[in-house]
Amino acid sequence: ETGVTQSPTHLIKTRGQQVTLRCSSQSGHNTVSWYQQALGQGPQFIFQYYREEENGRGNFPPRFSGLQFPNYSSELNVNALELDDSALYLCASSPIWAAPQREQFFGPGTRLTVL
Amino acid sequence: AQTVTQSQPEMSVQEAETVTLSCTYDTSENNYYLFWYKQPPSRQMILVIRQEAYKQQNATENRFSVNFQKAAKSFSLKISDSQLGDTAMYFCAFMKRTSTGTASKLTFGTGTRLQVTL
Repeated sequence: ETGVTQSPTHLIKTRGQQVTLRCSSQSGHNTVSWYQQALGQGPQFIFQYYREEENGRGNFPPRFSGLQFPNYSSELNVNALELDDSALYLCASSPIWAAPQREQFFGPGTRLTVL
Repeated sequence: AQTVTQSQPEMSVQEAETVTLSCTYDTSENNYYLFWYKQPPSRQMILVIRQEAYKQQNATENRFSVNFQKAAKSFSLKISDSQLGDTAMYFCAFMKRTSTGTASKLTFGTGTRLQVTL
């Protein structure tokens, strides 16, 4: 069974650019959540996708957007990058057979650096 | 809104000893879940243990156990027989119980860095 995977591992962008991060959920999982983890902090919830629709969002501006595809994989897009967007971005998926709140399985993250 | 507080930024324990990590939370919810996650240098967040708020019995997973005090809103993690591989950041997290299809987000504390030494 393949776990949650994310790509790329590392990414360097300049202020004002746009970035797309990708996440493949674990087999049998239909819910994907994205979190931002700044250096030395705990992860902060960005949004969650369930059945290809956003069904919850944290305190992040609209320039953070996402997609979920029919195979349950997901993308996180960030427009007009700011220096404060530098962080580890974590994707987590939840299984179909359980209520979404039972457990979230995390990927290894994408380290984004904005210069 | 929920908040999770971890008041110990760093802790150290010798191999084979026992250590307890503290966590307190604030919520007006009655139905929720509490978690401890481990994040080693590899960055992968790994679930250590889960507690359902409606269960009075403290959860245990091998060398890991919790002390859940619902009235005090306290949720500490005890690691027995500490091993070098336990060295990591440990995050306490809260999740409100929701119906299927409603967003279920984790609210994390700021973490405790645990170092296991020889």
